[in-house]
Amino acid sequence: GEDVEQSLFLSVREGDSSVINCTYTDSSSTYLYWYKQEPGAGLQLLTYIFSNMDMKQDQRLTVLLNKKDKHLSLRIADTQTGDSAIYFCAEGSSYKLIFGSGTRLLVRP
Amino acid sequence: GAVVSQHPSWVICKSGTSVKIECRSLDFQATTMFWYRQFPKQSLMLMATSNEGSKATYEQGVEKDKFLINHASLTLSTLTVTSAHPEDSSFYICSARDTPGNYEQYFGPGTRLTVT
Repeated sequence: GEDVEQSLFLSVREGDSSVINCTYTDSSSTYLYWYKQEPGAGLQLLTYIFSNMDMKQDQRLTVLLNKKDKHLSLRIADTQTGDSAIYFCAEGSSYKLIFGSGTRLLVRP
Repeated sequence: GAVVSQHPSWVICKSGTSVKIECRSLDFQATTMFWYRQFPKQSLMLMATSNEGSKATYEQGVEKDKFLINHASLTLSTLTVTSAHPEDSSFYICSARDTPGNYEQYFGPGTRLTVT
């Protein structure tokens, strides 16, 4: 079945890089996504990657996709306190998204 | 663009009553809307998918008679929690997609339901 797994918690110092990891199981997924959720709020799409890509960079964000291992990562460069939030990876096709459990990122000053 | 609103943002109701949550796409027409449920510190679980003018498709384990979904127009979907119980307390989030096959879903801010 479909399953997406993430580590639950990550703590980094302000200015360092953060790397959040995710594994998924559905090899037929067309897209893979990273969403950010701040307390009490909905989800904000940060970035996405097509399943036929290996890497995507968007300003401070770098997404790496290892299709063989079904592993997705999100790197945030120069992490700021405003980046503290829960980050969800999701796999999806055109009609459905399956979310991971979320990684809570804490940025220490 | 691509803004989705939900109303109310939070609601408290008594056990046994029904509560309706609205999801609106403000600046686009949503061919498909999705309803998710999120328990504290947990992930989003898809409850159902609704296409305008047709019946919603519910995920396995979701009671369609308890969670009534109506998608009567291209900008509005409603979720009614009928005969609510404390275990229905949760954060309900909707999302919308403007065209079939679009990779992106636009999420609403969520509605926190507390059943006392």
